[in-house]
Amino acid sequence: GESVGLHLPTLSVQEGDNSIINCAYSNSASDYFIWYKQESGKGPQFIIDIRSNMDKRQGQRVTVLLNKTVKHLSLQIAATQPGDSAVYFCAEKAGTYKYIFGTGTRLKVLA
Amino acid sequence: DTAVSQTPKYLVTQMGNDKSIKCEQNLGHDTMYWYKQDSKKFLKIMFSYNNKELIINETVPNRFSPKSPDKAHLNLHINSLELGDSAVYFCASSQDPNRGGDGYTFGSGTRLTVV
Repeated sequence: GESVGLHLPTLSVQEGDNSIINCAYSNSASDYFIWYKQESGKGPQFIIDIRSNMDKRQGQRVTVLLNKTVKHLSLQIAATQPGDSAVYFCAEKAGTYKYIFGTGTRLKVLA
Repeated sequence: DTAVSQTPKYLVTQMGNDKSIKCEQNLGHDTMYWYKQDSKKFLKIMFSYNNKELIINETVPNRFSPKSPDKAHLNLHINSLELGDSAVYFCASSQDPNRGGDGYTFGSGTRLTVV
């Protein structure tokens, strides 16, 4: 069935270290992916996106990597800060009007 | 100025009641959505409207009825509330995907608790 899943439900990292959040998707035809950040009590917020014709895309302190061979996405956060603590979702475009969200990874930043 | 606003933020009600959640976006987007987030943070699409027309209805029970009076508003009415309806409901909007719009802007959510 259609699914987008995450390997690690909770990730704890020391402040200043780099974080890597992983996501597996099932539809090899998917051509667009987004990472969202959801802070407590708020809705998900767009972080970075990537199209399937790219392997890597960089933003400010964040990098998304796409491996189409194994249907895997990752989000890398450099120099993780306390403000990065949140739940992170990958989302796969499953149709013109529909995204399928992964189960989420909670990132905890330790002081 | 809030881009996607939902009201109320919290809603506690008894089983069997009927309730509505309102959503408005001031982004000029053509498409609006309702998502349900369960206690394990799983987000699942419920409905999608494009220019007031229903595009997606993801096998949601008939007790849930969305209404879009104009493309800036998408309200959600729920009849005969059940315990399993307890969740956080998110409204979102996007530019028309057929015109190159991607990604959602989400509201801050409505936490519905059915007791």
